[in-house]
Amino acid sequence: GEKVEQHESTLSVREGDSAVINCTYTDTASSYFPWYKQEAGKSLHFVIDIRSNVDRKQSQRLIVLLDKKAKRFSLHITATQPEDSAIYFCDSGSWQLIFGSGTQLTVMP
Amino acid sequence: VTLLEQNPRWRLVPRGQAVNLRCILKNSQYPWMSWYQQDLQKQLQWLFTLRSPGDKEVKSLPGADYLATRVTDTELRLQVANMSQGRTLYCTCSAGGQGISNERLFFGHGTKLSVL
Repeated sequence: GEKVEQHESTLSVREGDSAVINCTYTDTASSYFPWYKQEAGKSLHFVIDIRSNVDRKQSQRLIVLLDKKAKRFSLHITATQPEDSAIYFCDSGSWQLIFGSGTQLTVMP
Repeated sequence: VTLLEQNPRWRLVPRGQAVNLRCILKNSQYPWMSWYQQDLQKQLQWLFTLRSPGDKEVKSLPGADYLATRVTDTELRLQVANMSQGRTLYCTCSAGGQGISNERLFFGHGTKLSVL
């Protein structure tokens, strides 16, 4: 079946540094790639997405890059803050609705 | 603004007993309703997507059996049976359009199930 792999299971950065989380997918028909954030003890919420007709999208401190040839997309969080600490999930956009395994991001003061 | 009302928030389930969960949609602009499970290792897995009242599906996964029902345009239910490991069930909703996999999901607060 189709897969999405989220490469970093944990990531620690110093406050103010950038964090990068990478995902790869297998379904060539995928065209929509959202990211979700889950803070400790809470539900998930949407943070940013990208569609396959663009290569880059930015929303404030969040940047998503999409490389369709490599079937890879990444979430960049710039100028990290302690409140960015959470689990981040990528979604491959496959009709099978597959999430990545999650990346626990810790931003250290 | 809360799009989904999910209850209960937490339930202790005696081994061998079934539990019924309910999710109410507050905004008809997002009519595609789904259930996801998150296991104790935080892995997310899609279970069902039901669009129309009367839609019903069953599924068996490691650790639990599920029956999902779209009762009305605003209500989605999930029966969880034979649960052997704790998990959290999330109700989601999304807009239609090109297909449900091309729209962002809105998550409910979740129902945490623990096995007694």
